[in-house]
Amino acid sequence: RKEVEQDPGPFNVPEGATVAFNCTYSNSASQSFFWYRQDCRKEPKLLMSVYSSGNEDGRFTAQLNRASQYISLLIRDSKLSDSATYLCVVNVRGSYIPTFGRGTSLIVHP
Amino acid sequence: NAGVTQTPKFQVLKTGQSMTLQCAQDMNHNSMYWYRQDPGMGLRLIYYSASEGTTDKGEVPNGYNVSRLNKREFSLRLESAAPSQTSVYFCASSESRGNQPQHFGDGTRLSIL
Repeated sequence: RKEVEQDPGPFNVPEGATVAFNCTYSNSASQSFFWYRQDCRKEPKLLMSVYSSGNEDGRFTAQLNRASQYISLLIRDSKLSDSATYLCVVNVRGSYIPTFGRGTSLIVHP
Repeated sequence: NAGVTQTPKFQVLKTGQSMTLQCAQDMNHNSMYWYRQDPGMGLRLIYYSASEGTTDKGEVPNGYNVSRLNKREFSLRLESAAPSQTSVYFCASSESRGNQPQHFGDGTRLSIL
């Protein structure tokens, strides 16, 4: 089983739709979690950290479920500009090396 | 707000040539990383430096060497380039062990003929 797993998609949604991605992790010592966005042939950019109580940033909501070992990202009112690959990143306690998921591709169409 | 700066942005090499990819960060981060990303693939860690003066192998270190020149700079060297090393290379830095997110440079696109 991979340490961090994501559905590669693509998720194809119309503008204005709500879409959600999940990311599962296998190491119970995981302590910090992030969502990154990566546009085609560009560098990954931090979208948001994921906190235990869940957190929101505008149209984006991130949640953590430690019992089931997954994090989620919800995007409301999707925009064309949200089209990108969304990477889940998990850091294990005491490790310098974060683990990246392979990413979920989102395509928002008119 | 420079963040992480990588040079060059593009490079074409012939098989067997050598070159060094440069990376510098101005965020006073302790840890620095080199990744490669191939089409349709995830990020793969080549080498990392947890702090100034230390370097360690990642998932795919063969064919590469690194130097942590000082706290700001972390270079990646290809001693004898091979076509299999054609890739996009990203440098990243982070503040401390595992708790903080990484910040990425905008990449070096390397083609080896």
